[in-house]
Amino acid sequence: AQKVTQAQTEISVVEKEDVTLDCVYETRDTTYYLFWYKQPPSGELVFLIRRNSFDEQNEISGRYSWNFQKSTSSFNFTITASQVVDSAVYFCALSEAEGGSEKLVFGKGTKLTVNP
Amino acid sequence: DSGVTQTPKHLITATGQRVTLRCSPRSGDLSVYWYQQSLDQGLQFLIQYYNGEERAKGNILERFSAQQFPDLHSELNLSSLELGDSALYFCASSGGRSNQPQHFGDGTRLSIL
Repeated sequence: AQKVTQAQTEISVVEKEDVTLDCVYETRDTTYYLFWYKQPPSGELVFLIRRNSFDEQNEISGRYSWNFQKSTSSFNFTITASQVVDSAVYFCALSEAEGGSEKLVFGKGTKLTVNP
Repeated sequence: DSGVTQTPKHLITATGQRVTLRCSPRSGDLSVYWYQQSLDQGLQFLIQYYNGEERAKGNILERFSAQQFPDLHSELNLSSLELGDSALYFCASSGGRSNQPQHFGDGTRLSIL
């Protein structure tokens, strides 16, 4: 069965600190996709990144970077030089290619608070 | 702006009532997904439609039903509402493949009094 675990429930940092959000997943499929979404205080869910199971290249987008390691079933998200606007709940999600549905299985989320 | 439109944004009603939540997907997207976000259960998949047909069901109660119309908009019907149905209901859309990200609407916040 699919499962996504975000062990960090809440993280609080001071602006300009780097912060890493952890995500560990479980799946029996060999082909799957991993996602990160951001939910700011306003409530909407914003897509950040998608990774497929065959691409273990790390990705950097501005202050955001993602580290995908199949060996440890992890897909961690790092924010460099955090800003107050990064304060949000961040969700990691998994979608399996097989089974006929692209439903997302979400972790419980990590609430990040960046203090000025 | 994700391009996915959900109405209404807020809904307040009483136990035992029935409500309909509406979703218009992004232009070109054939798949619509419904998710429920509650404090105790987190974000949970309810149901998926692809081009008018039901494709997958998740943890959706029998009191809940959905459909996708020929113009691809979707409605989620919730009936015999209970206090525990209070939640944020999200609609998402995508092209219908696993490698395509789902883009979410702003959600409908349902409060049962």
